[in-house]
Amino acid sequence: KQEVTQIPAALSVPEGENLVLNCSFTDSAIYNLQWFRQDPGKGLTSLLLIQSSQREQTSGRLNASLDKSSGRSTLYIAASQPGDSATYLCAVLWMDSSYKLIFGSGTRLLVRP
Amino acid sequence: GAVVSQHPSWVICKSGTSVKIECRSLDFQATTMFWYRQFPKQSLMLMATSNEGSKATYEQGVEKDKFLINHASLTLSTLTVTSAHPEDSSFYICSARVSYEQYFGPGTRLTVT
Repeated sequence: KQEVTQIPAALSVPEGENLVLNCSFTDSAIYNLQWFRQDPGKGLTSLLLIQSSQREQTSGRLNASLDKSSGRSTLYIAASQPGDSATYLCAVLWMDSSYKLIFGSGTRLLVRP
Repeated sequence: GAVVSQHPSWVICKSGTSVKIECRSLDFQATTMFWYRQFPKQSLMLMATSNEGSKATYEQGVEKDKFLINHASLTLSTLTVTSAHPEDSSFYICSARVSYEQYFGPGTRLTVT
């Protein structure tokens, strides 16, 4: 069964810290992996999309890496800010999935001022 | 960029009534749209895949007679929750597929009293 797991489920850090969110997935035959941000009661904001042929993607203070062979991705947030507080979701598109995105359970991040 | 809208953004209805939620791709055509449901503090769970001009494909455990999906055009899919009950209260999010990427709507908050 194709599954996506995210750890930790919740994370609280002081402002300014660098932090890493983890995502693991079964079955390495993926097409792409995407990281989203979700604020409470709101929809999804796409942060980074990594194609299966790529190792990482960067956008501002965010860097996402992909290691297909080990079934892992990490989202690195540099110099965290209170405005980064949100839930971060990892989603995987597998090649045989009929284009269905499978989401992890998310990591709830709180950055304390 | 690709924009997806949902209407309404929130709705309150009485138990036993039906509610229709619209999902529109505003500046592109989507042959496939997806419907997700998200309960509080949980991740997105795929409910069904909607293909233009054909019947929707429902995920295991989702009642197709309760959640009616219509995808009559390349820019519009609708989800009707029939005979709604309080346990159907949730956040419903749609997405529209372009190639191997999905673009998400802002979500609809349904509360059944």
